Amino acid sequence: AQKVTQAQTEISVVEKEDVTLDCVYETRDTTYYLFWYKQPPSGELVFLIRRNSFDEQNEISGRYSWNFQKSTSSFNFTITASQVVDSAVYFCALSEEGGGGADGLTFGKGTHLIIQP
Amino acid sequence: GAVVSQHPSWVICKSGTSVKIECRSLDFQATTMFWYRQFPKQSLMLMATSNEGSKATYEQGVEKDKFLINHASLTLSTLTVTSAHPEDSSFYICSARDPHLPGVTDTQYFGPGTRLTVL
Repeated sequence: AQKVTQAQTEISVVEKEDVTLDCVYETRDTTYYLFWYKQPPSGELVFLIRRNSFDEQNEISGRYSWNFQKSTSSFNFTITASQVVDSAVYFCALSEEGGGGADGLTFGKGTHLIIQP
Repeated sequence: GAVVSQHPSWVICKSGTSVKIECRSLDFQATTMFWYRQFPKQSLMLMATSNEGSKATYEQGVEKDKFLINHASLTLSTLTVTSAHPEDSSFYICSARDPHLPGVTDTQYFGPGTRLTVL
């Protein structure tokens, strides 16, 4: 069965600092998908990124970057020059390839990121 | 594009009553929808997978007779919490997947969630 581990329950940094959120996953499938979502206090999930298991290329989007390493089963997320608006709970998630497409997501427990002014 | 709505956004009901939550894909056809539950300060847990025109598949530990799911059309899935009890109070979130969207065939688009409080 698949599993996603976000060992950092809460991280607090001062604005403008860089911060990395860790995500380690377990799966027996060779085809799978990894995601990061942001959940602000409103509760609505905000999609950040999707990666499939065959694409290990790291990605940068503005202040956000992701490091996917299959060798260590990790998919870490870094925010550069953090801002107060980045404060939220961040979830890493995994889905495996079902018969008709990707299955439902398995979420990590989430990391509560607090950016202090 | 790829917008998913939920209705209602919040609901308060008395113990023993049933509550229906709707999940709609507004600008695409969702052959598959998923229902998740999130208790306060916890993660999201998959409850069931709903495929249009067929019975939902429930995750282990989720009572199918208590959480009735109907996916009667390609744009609408409903979750009915029957005989609700205070322990069913939670944040229910649906997501929808359109396998025909180019480049994002396996991305799930999430609704804004429904907060259920059972008194």
